[in-house]
Amino acid sequence: DAGVTQSPTHLIKTRGQHVTLRCSPISGHKSVSWYQQVLGQGPQFIFQYYEKEERGRGNFPDRFSARQFPNYSSELNVNALLLGDSALYLCASSLVVGRTYEQYFGPGTRLTVT
Amino acid sequence: GESVGLHLPTLSVQEGDNSIINCAYSNSASDYFIWYKQESGKGPQFIIDIRSNMDKRQGQRVTVLLNKTVKHLSLQIAATQPGDSAVYFCAEATGNQFYFGTGTSLTVIP
Repeated sequence: DAGVTQSPTHLIKTRGQHVTLRCSPISGHKSVSWYQQVLGQGPQFIFQYYEKEERGRGNFPDRFSARQFPNYSSELNVNALLLGDSALYLCASSLVVGRTYEQYFGPGTRLTVT
Repeated sequence: GESVGLHLPTLSVQEGDNSIINCAYSNSASDYFIWYKQESGKGPQFIIDIRSNMDKRQGQRVTVLLNKTVKHLSLQIAATQPGDSAVYFCAEATGNQFYFGTGTSLTVIP
């Protein structure tokens, strides 16, 4: 079975630009979460979606947005990119939403903002 | 905000020895804790979890201990192998949000 897939693998953008990152969860998983991992730090929670609805939001500015599609795949959008947005963006899927569930992470998208 | 931190940023152990990785958390309301392993170039991989109504949970070669009194979490790896070399993160769950610590880099010396 395929795990969580993310695209693209790497991305280079210029300050002020917009970026869209994509995630496909494990088949049957209905919840997708997004994380930002800056080099040398742990992942920071951005969003969680379940059944196409936002169920959780971390402490990120409104420049960050996301959505989940009927097939449970998800997009993370970041507007007006800043240098500080350079990071590994991780997507995780799980079978159900809630506090006690097991998340499976994808390999991430490495975003570099110049 | 939440504060989940690890006591040691790096840890080196001899192959075959046991490893202990520690983690402190700050939110006494957190009721679910997870340990992840992250290898270079990969996303975090689930290792083991524990709920706040438990003190100890064992998996294959790994044990997680939870001390709610001092808000401390530890991961024990038995008979550490070279393949265990990675960065290990603890995470706590509050509501629908997971908070990760900074990570401990484990190096296994052959």
